[in-house]
Amino acid sequence: KAGVTQTPRYLIKTRGQQVTLSCSPISGHRSVSWYQQTPGQGLQFLFEYFSETQRNKGNFPGRFSGRQFSNSRSEMNVSTLELGDSALYLCASSLGPGQGAIRGNSPLHFGNGTRLTVT
Amino acid sequence: LAKTTQPISMDSYEGQEVNITCSHNNIATNDYITWYQQFPSQGPRFIIQGYKTKVTNEVASLFIPADRKSSTLSLPRVSLSDTAVYYCLVGDQPSGGYNKLIFGAGTRLAVHP
Repeated sequence: KAGVTQTPRYLIKTRGQQVTLSCSPISGHRSVSWYQQTPGQGLQFLFEYFSETQRNKGNFPGRFSGRQFSNSRSEMNVSTLELGDSALYLCASSLGPGQGAIRGNSPLHFGNGTRLTVT
Repeated sequence: LAKTTQPISMDSYEGQEVNITCSHNNIATNDYITWYQQFPSQGPRFIIQGYKTKVTNEVASLFIPADRKSSTLSLPRVSLSDTAVYYCLVGDQPSGGYNKLIFGAGTRLAVHP
């Protein structure tokens, strides 16, 4: 079974631009969640989608948005990029809603991330 | 707000047992505790998950005391390939019906020959 696929693996953008990242979950998984990982802040939850609906959102500004398609694939968009947005962006999929990841029945499966560098 | 605390780093030698503890003093009542392993340039990988007492699988054991305010990941007989960052994951108290997932800051384990 193919794992979680994130594209692209690397991105370099300049301040003020916008970027779209893509995540294809494991076949059959309906939940996709997104995380930002930086050396200073660690792994921070961005948002989660289940059945095309955003179910939960972390404490990030509105410049960070996402969506999920009917085939469960998800995209994350960051507008008006800032230098501080440089990070590894990870997505994870799970069978059930993200709550399942902490309810004992649906662990998260992560992709290898997209490394975004803002210059 | 749930907060987790893990040691920043640990060192060990091949063949030793390693125990990594995560403190989570405000974990939601119904939530499990999960541990992940991350290698450079890769996403975290699920290791083990438990609710209380002890859970064991083919790679690790997880000890959770009755008060559930902490958990200890135990890696038996580590090898060089266990050098990685280890994260605990818990849920915050529900807000609007949904928990936010809270990752610990991670423990960087270095295994030496």
